Amino acid sequence: GENVEQHPSTLSVQEGDSAVIKCTYSDSASNYFPWYKQELGKRPQLIIDIRSNVGEKKDQRIAVTLNKTAKHFSLHITETQPEDSAVYFCAANSGRGGFKTIFGAGTRLFVKA
Amino acid sequence: DTGVSQDPRHKITKRGQNVTFRCDPISEHNRLYWYRQTLGQGPEFLTYFQNEAQLEKSRLLSDRFSAERPKGSFSTLEIQRTEQGDSAMYLCASSLGTSGINEQYFGPGTRLTVT
Repeated sequence: GENVEQHPSTLSVQEGDSAVIKCTYSDSASNYFPWYKQELGKRPQLIIDIRSNVGEKKDQRIAVTLNKTAKHFSLHITETQPEDSAVYFCAANSGRGGFKTIFGAGTRLFVKA
Repeated sequence: DTGVSQDPRHKITKRGQNVTFRCDPISEHNRLYWYRQTLGQGPEFLTYFQNEAQLEKSRLLSDRFSAERPKGSFSTLEIQRTEQGDSAMYLCASSLGTSGINEQYFGPGTRLTVT
């Protein structure tokens, strides 16, 4: 069945360093890859997304890359700040019409001041 | 607040009881999703609606789970004969669009504890 794998499960970086989270997906028909940030006790919120016709997308300190051939995509956060500390989830659409969203297990990011 | 709302926010129930949760999506959103999230995991897809039609249901969802969206607005998720393994956060999300490429807005969730 559809599956999204995410690594690492935990990531600790020093403030100002970069953080990279990697995901792979199984459904070759997936064409939409959102990333969500979930702070403790709060709801997931979309931070960036990428469509399959684009290889890279950037929004200020956040960038995503997509390699459709290899079925993997990555989130890059530069100049990390303590407020970036949260759990990050990658996801891919799947199923009939691509309306189902399959999430990775999450990466807990700690940014040390 | 014009975001997605869920009620109740917390529910404690005894094993074997039935529970029902409600989700009110963003008013113009035609699509509504239910997810289950356990500690340390990502949201797990349960089902989704386009307007009032339930278009897909996870194979992982047992017959004890049912969801409705009778008028294409709010939705309810019912769990019958609850089990301890049903303890989780139940998240609702909504989106607008006719393709699978659309941002989902999540509600605050209903935390279910089955004792």
